[in-house]
Amino acid sequence: DAGVIQSPRHEVTEMGQEVTLRCKPISGHDYLFWYRQTMMRGLELLIYFNNNVPIDDSGMPEDRFSAKMPNASFSTLKIQPSEPRDSAVYFCASSLYSEAFFGQGTRLTVV
Amino acid sequence: EDKVVQSPLSLVVHEGDTVTLNCSYEVTNFRSLLWYKQEKKAPTFLFMLTSSGIEKKSGRLSSILDKKELFSILNITATQTGDSAVYLCAVEPRYSGGGADGLTFGKGTHLIIQP
Repeated sequence: DAGVIQSPRHEVTEMGQEVTLRCKPISGHDYLFWYRQTMMRGLELLIYFNNNVPIDDSGMPEDRFSAKMPNASFSTLKIQPSEPRDSAVYFCASSLYSEAFFGQGTRLTVV
Repeated sequence: EDKVVQSPLSLVVHEGDTVTLNCSYEVTNFRSLLWYKQEKKAPTFLFMLTSSGIEKKSGRLSSILDKKELFSILNITATQTGDSAVYLCAVEPRYSGGGADGLTFGKGTHLIIQP
């Protein structure tokens, strides 16, 4: 398996634009997590899914953030409208048990 | 709210030294504690600990958990420049439904090994 695949790897966008981050989990993993990493706050859990169903979205910072998992092999994290303070590295991770495998991340810069 | 505190925040040592990284936590309904190593990109898994007092070992790295005092340590012996990374500690609470839950991470310890 190629591991967790995220796209794009880098995104630079202007404030107010919509941003969509994509993730393909490891086949067979039934948990999918979205994390955000910044220097100030470290790695923060935003939302996670179990069997494509959102379980806990209490980490989603605002209504501007939304996540979907339409099937077992694909998830998106959308920010609309984006703001400069959303600049961070966004990681997707998947797991079968407790050990989460991380994708390479999407570095988002909102100018 | 679940909380993970790691210390020190950064550490610079010479190759060959032994280092100990600390992680203390507060979590409702503990399930496991995990250690990750993060170099330039994604965190990579090192250890998962669920029981007190049982050391997990992988080469020069080892880790142990104390569930009574709510902490874990990660030891690296005979350090090498390739050990330079951010080491992240995370706790996993037990979801009310009995399954896994999202990880709460500490800020990490930035370890630099000088030749």
